[in-house]
Amino acid sequence: DIVVTQSPLSLPVTPGEPASISCRSSQSLFYSNGYQYLDWYLQKPGQPPQLLIYLASNRAAGVPDRFSGSGSGTDFTLKISRVEAEDVGVYYCTQSLETPYIFGQGTKLEIK
Amino acid sequence: QVRLVQSGAEVKKPGASVKVSCKSSGYIFTHYVIHWMRQAPGQRLEWMGYIFADSGYTRHSQNFRDRITISRDTSASTAYMELSSLTAEDTATYYCARDSIEAPGTYFDYWGQGALVTVSS
Repeated sequence: DIVVTQSPLSLPVTPGEPASISCRSSQSLFYSNGYQYLDWYLQKPGQPPQLLIYLASNRAAGVPDRFSGSGSGTDFTLKISRVEAEDVGVYYCTQSLETPYIFGQGTKLEIK
Repeated sequence: QVRLVQSGAEVKKPGASVKVSCKSSGYIFTHYVIHWMRQAPGQRLEWMGYIFADSGYTRHSQNFRDRITISRDTSASTAYMELSSLTAEDTATYYCARDSIEAPGTYFDYWGQGALVTVSS
């Protein structure tokens, strides 16, 4: 199985400051079509997850442009340029290259 | 608008089965794959399996061996996930989510609201 590992697991951030989450895969997530099969989700308290970034760097519809995804191969990063109060929740990365699709442990972002 | 609406919370005894439904609206059901995930209290998301809404082809995680059955009714735009031989470890919120058949990659752009399944004697 392809496993993804996130860091940090806890991320206290002051509003207006940037934040960054790392996701490392046990195998390359590059596919022959040129895409990296890594996605990011945010789960706000009491809600289902919502898609933020797909195929490593594509923002989902309606996602603010302060969110960005980058990376390739086995190392990926989610960045928030300026954290807002509404960004609190647990962030998950997941590999979508092959089944079983495995989610990371989650990174809990909280406001200082 | 796109909606995935799941059935309500369930309480089951160990050894029983549970069947969760996921009704889609606002899009063409057969153009998508419906995936099922679950999340035990305080735990990460766990992918369980999927069904192609057009062909009915299914695939599931080996973690569930032969306990899981995923099906769909195209006339009702509804997918189902049945889990048998329940134990306390199956207590979780179960989610359905859709994924485009045609787009590259597998990503879940719309999710159901979740269905809490509690297994307790």
